[in-house]
Amino acid sequence: DTAVSQTPKYLVTQMGNDKSIKCEQNLGHDTMYWYKQDSKKFLKIMFSYNNKELIINETVPNRFSPKSPDKAHLNLHINSLELGDSAVYFCASSPSSYEQYFGPGTRLTVT
Amino acid sequence: GQNIDQPTEMTATEGAIVQINCTYQTSGFNGLFWYQQHAGEAPTFLSYNVLDGLEEKGRFSSFLSRSKGYSYLLLKELQMKDSASYLCAVKGQTGANNLFFGTGTRLTVIP
Repeated sequence: DTAVSQTPKYLVTQMGNDKSIKCEQNLGHDTMYWYKQDSKKFLKIMFSYNNKELIINETVPNRFSPKSPDKAHLNLHINSLELGDSAVYFCASSPSSYEQYFGPGTRLTVT
Repeated sequence: GQNIDQPTEMTATEGAIVQINCTYQTSGFNGLFWYQQHAGEAPTFLSYNVLDGLEEKGRFSSFLSRSKGYSYLLLKELQMKDSASYLCAVKGQTGANNLFFGTGTRLTVIP
């Protein structure tokens, strides 16, 4: 039983394309997140959603947009992909205030 | 702003004890987390400290001093499988479930 799942696991695409990464959690958590981990392994938060409301948005380009169709899903849409977007993107979820559970990650490569 | 510092790399011998330090300067503090991340995998939760003192969990212990902005993760009886990155993360302001991560410490355990 996967707690936090992401699809796809690998994504290779060309500059300028638009792509989406999906995330689902079956833990019943209230909050979901997207993180970006760059080549230096620095993990940086991008977004978090609590009960379908965006509560933080850490200075990411507006080419990135989170979409939450329901409490169990938080998808990440990326428009006009750039080389610098290449990274591993992690989805995570948490109950109201404690540890976060991370998905397996999506390795995005922009060529 | 948020500033979280950890050593970049450490090496230790199997069976030994290693201490990984983390210092932080953040706007707001609601707890400090340690995560373990094996290469190519998602971060997994190790420990959580919100009050000063030592939290022990099996071979792993975590210490927090809020007045000094300092924490450490202590790993005892090191095993080869403990080779991984260890991420220090601080939970920021009350009401927000955001975690701010350090750059991580890559620990290599040698025979």
